[in-house]
Parts: sequence; C-alpha cells; structure tokens
Amino acid sequence: EVQLVESGGNLVQPGGSLRLSCVASGFTFSSYWMHWVRQAPGKGLVWVSRINSDGSTTSYADSVKGRFTISRDNAKNTLSLQMNSLRAGDTAVYYCARYIAAHEFDYWGQGTLVTVSS
Amino acid sequence: SYELTQPPSVSVSPGQTASITCSGDKLGDNYVCWYQQKPGQSPVLIIYQDTKRPSGIPERFSGSNSGNTATLTISGTQAMDEADYYCQAWDGFTVVFGGGTKLTVL
Repeated sequence: EVQLVESGGNLVQPGGSLRLSCVASGFTFSSYWMHWVRQAPGKGLVWVSRINSDGSTTSYADSVKGRFTISRDNAKNTLSLQMNSLRAGDTAVYYCARYIAAHEFDYWGQGTLVTVSS
Repeated sequence: SYELTQPPSVSVSPGQTASITCSGDKLGDNYVCWYQQKPGQSPVLIIYQDTKRPSGIPERFSGSNSGNTATLTISGTQAMDEADYYCQAWDGFTVVFGGGTKLTVL
C-alpha cells in the first residue's frame, strides 16, 4: 500500500525556519518525481515545488523561490522541504504528493500544518 | 502565468447531473485531471488524462476536455459527492491548479 507521511509542521515566528519531511512507503520511491503542494486555511491548492527522481532537478513557485529548498534521500525514502524566511502568507497545510506520467498526483500525504505567526 | 478558472460553487439535487467546468487558454491541448477533497481530508485523484478514472472511482464520475474548457460530470449525484473539486493541468513548465469548486448537494 502506497503511503506518504508528512511531519515537521509547527507554529513558527515570521522570519523563522522549518523543515518538513515526507516518508514514503509501498512503492519504489526513487522512481518517482515528488512535489509539495500547499493549501492555506479555507483556500485552494497551490503548487510549491518539485524534484525529479534522482534529485538532480528542482523547481519552485515564484512565491517561495530563494526561501524554500526541496531535497530527497532515496536511501531513506524521504522527501524534505527546508523553509526559511517564513512569512504569514506561508501559513498552510503542506502536502507531499507522488507525480505520475501524465502530470497528475496519484497519491497524497495527510498533510502537515505550518503556522507562521508572532 | 497560466491560469485555470473554475466556478466557486455549483449546486445539484440528489440524483441529478452536476457539471463543473475548468477554463484555460487552449486547455484542450493539455491533459487535465480532477481531484475531490472533502473537509479535513487530502485530495483524491478522480479523473486523469482528461477522461480516465483511477481504480475505485465510481463510474458516475466522468471527464472531458476540448478547446478552452474541461468538464467534470457527476451523473446521479449522491450526498457523499458533496466536496471541493479541483482541476489541474501542466502548462509545459509547472503544475497549475484551478481555484476549486464547492459542490453542494441539496
């Protein structure tokens, strides 16, 4: 059974940092591109970042570029998102999601809540 | 940047057909998928590659995509279908989501 389990969400002050993790199981993690998608309270889904299967290529939404870093450890089946210089607008549930051939997400984690507030 | 536009809300009576649209420039040239999200839950893929249903998704869910509009159709809508629905496409550079449509079954 495919599972994606996020962790690391917390309350953090503006300007602070946080590292999210997503542990994958039930599939060959190293074969898939992975993404982070976020959802602010009461709002829609917004793409954040992606990483290719071997970690050599990454991409970011303009809103997080230069502040967030996506990475992966295929030996540990773990996807990460390092978030620096956090702002109130980054407050959201962050989902990791598995990306498949025709550009869709077939599995999503349960999400982890990041709250940026003083 | 590429934008996908959905109506904020759609209402349907139980047993009737609900249609949720997703509009974007030349959207028919790209694959579109749809997600269902119920309160407090993660999104679930219900339509991919415009018209295909993943295993376990009921046949009452169907999709189409042509020109500038993709449509999610729910036939014989049930109370359990009340949820938020999001379209998503790839614009050649990045993943793009529609703003979401709240489906109310009343």
